Amino acid sequence: GQNIDQPTEMTATEGAIVQINCTYQTSGFNGLFWYQQHAGEAPTFLSYNVLDGLEEKGRFSSFLSRSKGYSYLLLKELQMKDSASYLCAVRDQRGVGNTPLVFGKGTRLSVIA
Amino acid sequence: DVKVTQSSRYLVKRTGEKVFLECVQDMDHENMFWYRQDPGLGLRLIYFSYDVKMKEKGDIPEGYSVSREKKERFSLILESASTNQTSMYLCASKWGRRGTEAFFGQGTRLTVV
Repeated sequence: GQNIDQPTEMTATEGAIVQINCTYQTSGFNGLFWYQQHAGEAPTFLSYNVLDGLEEKGRFSSFLSRSKGYSYLLLKELQMKDSASYLCAVRDQRGVGNTPLVFGKGTRLSVIA
Repeated sequence: DVKVTQSSRYLVKRTGEKVFLECVQDMDHENMFWYRQDPGLGLRLIYFSYDVKMKEKGDIPEGYSVSREKKERFSLILESASTNQTSMYLCASKWGRRGTEAFFGQGTRLTVV
């Protein structure tokens, strides 16, 4: 089976830092992705981790611990436009060639003034 | 720019109708996916294809089938639409190799009445 958990909603203040956690249990693991989705729009790619550690990309960083089945997305210097849903997704290794991308339910982040 | 195009943005169908949702990508991606997205349930994987004529059931395949006769096109078929299939349907594609991100189409909001 598989399970990808993340908080349903978070609220943070403009200019602050927020950390969105994701825990996962999948039959196989072949990488973890974070996506951003604004209301009414398609998800867009933010970051990718396959090895343990931190990947930094401007105001966004993502961390992975494979032994703990844990990742987080860190957003710094929050802006109002960061209000969106953040989706954690795991590339699940289910068989040869069968490596679908499986998503958590998403975390809706509201940035307030 | 990668383009993933879904044939319709909005669709209204009657219960019992056969419904085709089409998705075309222009980047020669091996992997293609169909998801549905519902409030509180997130993105759920319906079907996945990792090559022409190859298909794998996702987590909620019941009531759906797919077709991938050409690499660029992945069709989702609702054999006999039901009201519980009212949803936002999202298609995505990516290269097969590890670490590459998935690109999403704009989605089809299907209403079954």
